[in-house]
Amino acid sequence: QVQLVESGGGVVQPGGSLRLSCAASGFTFSSYGMHWVRQAPGKGLEWVAFIHYDGIHKYYADSVKGRFTISRDNSKNTLYLQMNSLRAEDTAVYYCAKEVTGSYYVDYWGQGTLVTVSS
Amino acid sequence: QSVLTQPPSVSGTPGQRVTISCSGSSSNIGSNTVNWYQQLPGTAPKLLIYTNNQRPSGVPDRFSGSKSGTSASLAITGLQAEDEADYYCQSYDNSLSGWVFGGGTKLTVL
Repeated sequence: QVQLVESGGGVVQPGGSLRLSCAASGFTFSSYGMHWVRQAPGKGLEWVAFIHYDGIHKYYADSVKGRFTISRDNSKNTLYLQMNSLRAEDTAVYYCAKEVTGSYYVDYWGQGTLVTVSS
Repeated sequence: QSVLTQPPSVSGTPGQRVTISCSGSSSNIGSNTVNWYQQLPGTAPKLLIYTNNQRPSGVPDRFSGSKSGTSASLAITGLQAEDEADYYCQSYDNSLSGWVFGGGTKLTVL
């Protein structure tokens, strides 16, 4: 069965960096686009970034553009989110999610990893 | 401020029918399909409705979706206690070149 397991969350100071990982299994990872979506405590869902199956095309929300980088290693079935210049407003649970090809929706989500930006 | 607008909360009694609206614009709902996710307390979101009105396998037919112009709706009939959750609409926005979500609607079963 499809499994997405995020890791790498934690507490970081404002201006710091963190790299999240999402280990995928149960499907052909290299064939699917992947998203990062976040949820601040007590708030709604916010789309963060998307990467095509081949890792070439990437898209970002304006709120993270220039600070976050999405990438993937298809040989390791792993999705990444490199987060730099972190701000308090980046505090959230970060979910990775698998897109249904060419459809603009996701059918599987990970359990999420919490990132807290605080001094 | 979310790009898609949902009511913050709705409520109903067991067995009732409730609807959740999602309002957007020509650059998102007006041009693209709408999807709905259910988030039970303390869990990750789950796909509920895709491509405006399609249900993934395993989702009861009590849940239905519709879209008209720049708005969409989620309807839940035969309301059950386990339906108490947050519901989010989502679409693609051509102007932003990315996904957009509604702010979420908390459904309370009285």
